[in-house]
Amino acid sequence: DQQVKQNSPSLSVQEGRISILNCDYTNSMFDYFLWYKKYPAEGPTFLISISSIKDKNEDGRFTVFLNKSAKHLSLHIVPSQPGDSAVYFCAASGASNSGYALNFGKGTSLLVTP
Amino acid sequence: DVKVTQSSRYLVKRTGEKVFLECVQDMDHENMFWYRQDPGLGLRLIYFSYDVKMKEKGDIPEGYSVSREKKERFSLILESASTNQTSMYLCASSFGPRGTQYFGPGTRLTVL
Repeated sequence: DQQVKQNSPSLSVQEGRISILNCDYTNSMFDYFLWYKKYPAEGPTFLISISSIKDKNEDGRFTVFLNKSAKHLSLHIVPSQPGDSAVYFCAASGASNSGYALNFGKGTSLLVTP
Repeated sequence: DVKVTQSSRYLVKRTGEKVFLECVQDMDHENMFWYRQDPGLGLRLIYFSYDVKMKEKGDIPEGYSVSREKKERFSLILESASTNQTSMYLCASSFGPRGTQYFGPGTRLTVL
């Protein structure tokens, strides 16, 4: 049962524009959310996280928004650059899984075109 | 910088072989994890360990076992490799119960 869902397998955006990647979750016990970026043949790298006590967290060009009532989070990349082309995974953890393990979505492949 | 290393980037094995995948982290992290990544399925947790000699099953432990004899090293064992275990295997480590997980580069395993 997929508890973290990324419903868009792929997204294409022009360089300089905003990329918005979406993620939905079903488990109301999740209280910590992360985004990872993965290039082919490499391990995922941590990008940004947000705790459920916040609704926004910003780090440079990357901003994550959390809407707890809708069980939805999104990652905004502004402005998008060709080097941002990668697969982005949303992940969540919470008291229901003892907090150690992350539940990952299936990923969204972002392509930023020049 | 956290460094997580995996013993091989690419591995080819035959059906029925015993396979060892090794992972080492250099940041004294308590928690270590093994995932597999398959197209369209994302990352799925196989096993994790929150202390030396401790292990917990993840979502897909069948056909796998693990060993954690030292804090820095976490091994994934395929007792008898099968073709459906062809996948990208990713190791990760974290500090504390809610720490950010840091991943190794992955091992692309092909079972023929």
